[in-house]
Amino acid sequence: QQQVKQSPQSLIVQKGGISIINCAYENTAFDYFPWYQQFPGKGPALLIAIRPDVSEKKEGRFTISFNKSAKQFSLHIMDSQPGDSATYFCAATSPGYNAGNMLTFGGGTRLMVKP
Amino acid sequence: GAGVSQTPSNKVTEKGKYVELRCDPISGHTALYWYRQSLGQGPEFLIYFQGTGAADDSGLPNDRFFAVRPEGSVSTLKIQRTERGDSAVYLCASSLQGGLTYTQYFGPGTRLTVL
Repeated sequence: QQQVKQSPQSLIVQKGGISIINCAYENTAFDYFPWYQQFPGKGPALLIAIRPDVSEKKEGRFTISFNKSAKQFSLHIMDSQPGDSATYFCAATSPGYNAGNMLTFGGGTRLMVKP
Repeated sequence: GAGVSQTPSNKVTEKGKYVELRCDPISGHTALYWYRQSLGQGPEFLIYFQGTGAADDSGLPNDRFFAVRPEGSVSTLKIQRTERGDSAVYLCASSLQGGLTYTQYFGPGTRLTVL
């Protein structure tokens, strides 16, 4: 059961453009929504995260928009740069059994920013 | 400081063999997670340790998979009677504690290929 659905699978953006990646979730117990960036041969690295009590969070060129009623959230990358070319994963987690917080990941979006 | 390290970086084995994958978490991190990432997919949770104990092993696919963390630091993921379907990148992550907003820091992964 895919609890977090991510789209698009791939995205090509011109340098300076806006990259938008969307995610939808099913489990209403999810309470924390991080985005991870992964370069080839590397592990995922946290980019930005949001709690559902806010509708937007911005850090530099990266913004998360969150719609709790629609159970959707999205990542916007402003002024996209070739160095942003990577695979992006949305994820979700909830207060877990024994205080663990296993991440449930979306399927990933491969972003290519053309110079 | 050093990040999460994993060894080996690549492991090729034959169907039916036993393999061990090692994870060295960030020093002082009490929470440790194992994930499995199949080609073109997002990571999937396998097991979570809080200290020395496996607090949540609900993601282990079957009893061929086992993991230990005997001293609360290094962890080893063990796979018996490997199958071709076990081929994937195995990722380890650690966090300072197991709480909801504690960042999980991922290692580069071990790419397992079962021939």
